Amino acid sequence: DGGITQSPKYLFRKEGQNVTLSCEQNLNHDAMYWYRQDPGQGLRLIYYSQIVNDFQKGDIAEGYSVSREKKESFPLTVTSAQKNPTAFYLCASSGVQGSPLHFGNGTRLTVT
Amino acid sequence: DQQVKQNSPSLSVQEGRISILNCDYTNSMFDYFLWYKKYPAEGPTFLISISSIKDKNEDGRFTVFLNKSAKHLSLHIVPSQPGDSAVYFCAASGSGNTGKLIFGQGTTLQVKP
Repeated sequence: DGGITQSPKYLFRKEGQNVTLSCEQNLNHDAMYWYRQDPGQGLRLIYYSQIVNDFQKGDIAEGYSVSREKKESFPLTVTSAQKNPTAFYLCASSGVQGSPLHFGNGTRLTVT
Repeated sequence: DQQVKQNSPSLSVQEGRISILNCDYTNSMFDYFLWYKKYPAEGPTFLISISSIKDKNEDGRFTVFLNKSAKHLSLHIVPSQPGDSAVYFCAASGSGNTGKLIFGQGTTLQVKP
């Protein structure tokens, strides 16, 4: 069954710690994306990658970092520099240009 | 500055009736619009899309209308079913990259049996 797997579903961290969210896809999609959702707001784009070993900043990249060493994987690191890290994080992928995004089921990160 | 706005946070309709969800945008460079449906604790799933060269796209019970002059789009669900109860997001793209989306805030639809 093809899809996007995000793990873990819930993640708790202390303030000041970096944390890495996992995203794996077996859809053979070239492009992958990270979005963030906050209550009462739409999804906002953090980073995206259209090809292995290349990625670009989205609208709210500050305090985040990514890597794209393999086609299937696009991990997101939430660094201690991110001022408001508590949120619901969604990973997505897309195939050919013009095809809609497929989303994972998200990771809810709580930083206290 | 919110480029895509869904001004109704919630909508309640009776089963079998029409649900109309609205979305406004400000950027005239947007050329592709999508609707996503989201259940709690899950990722959004794609519902329907429309290119700016069209004014209507239909898929079963779901129809999206685009009014470019008004910078407005709407999603019609007919007939509404209890399983349609979810949060609906409209999204827009104008960069040629349909993965780089600007989302509205979402509208929570409740369909009452």
